[in-house]
Amino acid sequence: GAGVSQSPSNKVTEKGKDVELRCDPISGHTALYWYRQRLGQGLEFLIYFQGNSAPDKSGLPSDRFSAERTGESVSTLTIQRTQQEDSAVYLCASRLTSGTPTYEQYFGPGTRLTVT
Amino acid sequence: AQSVSQHNHHVILSEAASLELGCNYSYGGTVNLFWYVQYPGQHLQLLLKYFSGDPLVKGIKGFEAEFIKSKFSFNLRKPSVQWSDTAEYFCAVTLAGNMLTFGGGTRLMVKP
Repeated sequence: GAGVSQSPSNKVTEKGKDVELRCDPISGHTALYWYRQRLGQGLEFLIYFQGNSAPDKSGLPSDRFSAERTGESVSTLTIQRTQQEDSAVYLCASRLTSGTPTYEQYFGPGTRLTVT
Repeated sequence: AQSVSQHNHHVILSEAASLELGCNYSYGGTVNLFWYVQYPGQHLQLLLKYFSGDPLVKGIKGFEAEFIKSKFSFNLRKPSVQWSDTAEYFCAVTLAGNMLTFGGGTRLMVKP
């Protein structure tokens, strides 16, 4: 079946511009996560959506970052007034929460963001 | 807050050598443990996972990991590596399905 998809795959933007990144989770996966991977570093958690519950925003690095999710499907991550330190690969993951819990997250290919 | 440490940032091995990548985590409660792998140009994919039961878990491609609770460790092993194992390996921890906390990753290069 289809996996997690993300778009665009690459985004180059000028410092100060806003960007929007999209994630389509696996159908039926109610949990959705955003992570960031800066060059040479591990993945950092950004935000977590679970069904209709309030999202866990504890990983967002600043108020320039926000994310939304439409029901249990598409999510968008928005970065306002981008800075060079925002350059990273942004990864989305989804997880099935019904049935026997496995806690396995399935990752998308990521969006490589470069801020010039 | 929980944290995950991977002690080896870069590892270079020859084919057929044995592999062990270290992973230690800081949380003292009940955790779920994972190893993810990222092959060049590909997505992150799950290599193996531990939830409960037998502390020695087996994953894909001949990998295994052992959970040692007393040492807060979850080291990854493979008896004989292949060139195709060249990749970046990430250890990760989650508490009951919340976000994953990742280690910094280990880049493995296997020389043919």
